[in-house]
Amino acid sequence: AQSVTQLDSQVPVFEEAPVELRCNYSSSVSVYLFWYVQYPNQGLQLLLKYLSGSTLVKGINGFEAEFNKSQTSFHLRKPSVHISDTAEYFCAVTLSGGYNKLIFGAGTRLAVHP
Amino acid sequence: DSGVTQTPKHLITATGQRVTLRCSPRSGDLSVYWYQQSLDQGLQFLIQYYNGEERAKGNILERFSAQQFPDLHSELNLSSLELGDSALYFCASSGAPSLAFTDTQYFGPGTRLTVL
Repeated sequence: AQSVTQLDSQVPVFEEAPVELRCNYSSSVSVYLFWYVQYPNQGLQLLLKYLSGSTLVKGINGFEAEFNKSQTSFHLRKPSVHISDTAEYFCAVTLSGGYNKLIFGAGTRLAVHP
Repeated sequence: DSGVTQTPKHLITATGQRVTLRCSPRSGDLSVYWYQQSLDQGLQFLIQYYNGEERAKGNILERFSAQQFPDLHSELNLSSLELGDSALYFCASSGAPSLAFTDTQYFGPGTRLTVL
């Protein structure tokens, strides 16, 4: 069965510093991978997704993620964060047998400090 | 504003009761997905409809049911409510029949259900 592990529950970082949010998945078949952001008291917003092709995926708000099949990872990165990036970030993978069922990680709370 | 609307925003009810949550997708979107977010279980996919037909089912309890109407809005019905059903319920919409397309999935603001 597929599962998603977000290795850090909280990541504190100073403004303008780089950040990496880690995500590992387990699956014996091909999957699609997603990163979502949830700002306080709001719904989720898709940051980026990997379906196929280039392993480096660029998303909105300056975020990017790299799909590494051998390490079964899909880490999210941003070279310089802003206060406004403070939010909860979720990694998700589709379940085999149907590319409609998302399995989410537990989330990583990114706190950007001035 | 994602263009996906959900009503009501908040719902407080008692154990054993039944409630209906409503979702209106973005104009033109045929797919509606329902998710539950709780402190215990995190984010879970419940069910998806595409153009009126059930497309995929996730961890949806038998006490829960959903449907998508001809005008494409969807309703999630929760019955025999238990304390553990307290959660934020999101719906999301997209134009494509599955997440395997480049279409973006847009989320509504959610309905917060509190069961007392």
